[in-house]
Amino acid sequence: ILNVEQSPQSLHVQEGDSTNFTCSFPSSNFYALHWYRWETAKSPEALFVMTLNGDEKKKGRISATLNTKEGYSYLYIKGSQPEDSATYLCAFIGFTGGTSYGKLTFGQGTILTVHP
Amino acid sequence: NAGVTQTPKFQVLKTGQSMTLQCAQDMNHNSMYWYRQDPGMGLRLIYYSASEGTTDKGEVPNGYNVSRLNKREFSLRLESAAPSQTSVYFCASSDFGRNYGYTFGSGTRLTVV
Repeated sequence: ILNVEQSPQSLHVQEGDSTNFTCSFPSSNFYALHWYRWETAKSPEALFVMTLNGDEKKKGRISATLNTKEGYSYLYIKGSQPEDSATYLCAFIGFTGGTSYGKLTFGQGTILTVHP
Repeated sequence: NAGVTQTPKFQVLKTGQSMTLQCAQDMNHNSMYWYRQDPGMGLRLIYYSASEGTTDKGEVPNGYNVSRLNKREFSLRLESAAPSQTSVYFCASSDFGRNYGYTFGSGTRLTVV
């Protein structure tokens, strides 16, 4: 079973603060790393799909970086807003041999609460 | 465009009863998945179907069966429900390749008493 760890487990920030959290994953047999945003009572929505070492992705105030050699990814939120409150999940896919790859293994998520 | 549709949204079963969770996607995706979400455990893969006609076990398959009825539909069956299967179940779909994220359904909250 693959180990995908996210930290911190939860985070409380004030509106306007910038914040970041970490996803660590196996550094061998990397295929892809996903970030999802999961609001309460809704379903997870894909934020980023990252495939190359050094990838940087951005969507509005949210950005992510990827280091496959050391096995970590950071998600950054600049100027947090109350509507950013959600659980942020990362998920790892590894190569299983040849051209085959596995399925998403999720971390447990970081719960972000942004206070007005 | 409905995306991934799951039914039912809520269900209460008695121990030993059976039921089937239905999932359909209209995005012409090749791969479909069933996950369960439990407090403190994150999302865990139950079964998946890489393409029409194939199914494989995931991390927690015991007590479940699946059917990939066609490219659109992937159902999850509990033959004899147990309280340990109380969970929120999510269906997801994706296309082939490393650049595609998964699209999730809205979930089914199942309680087994």
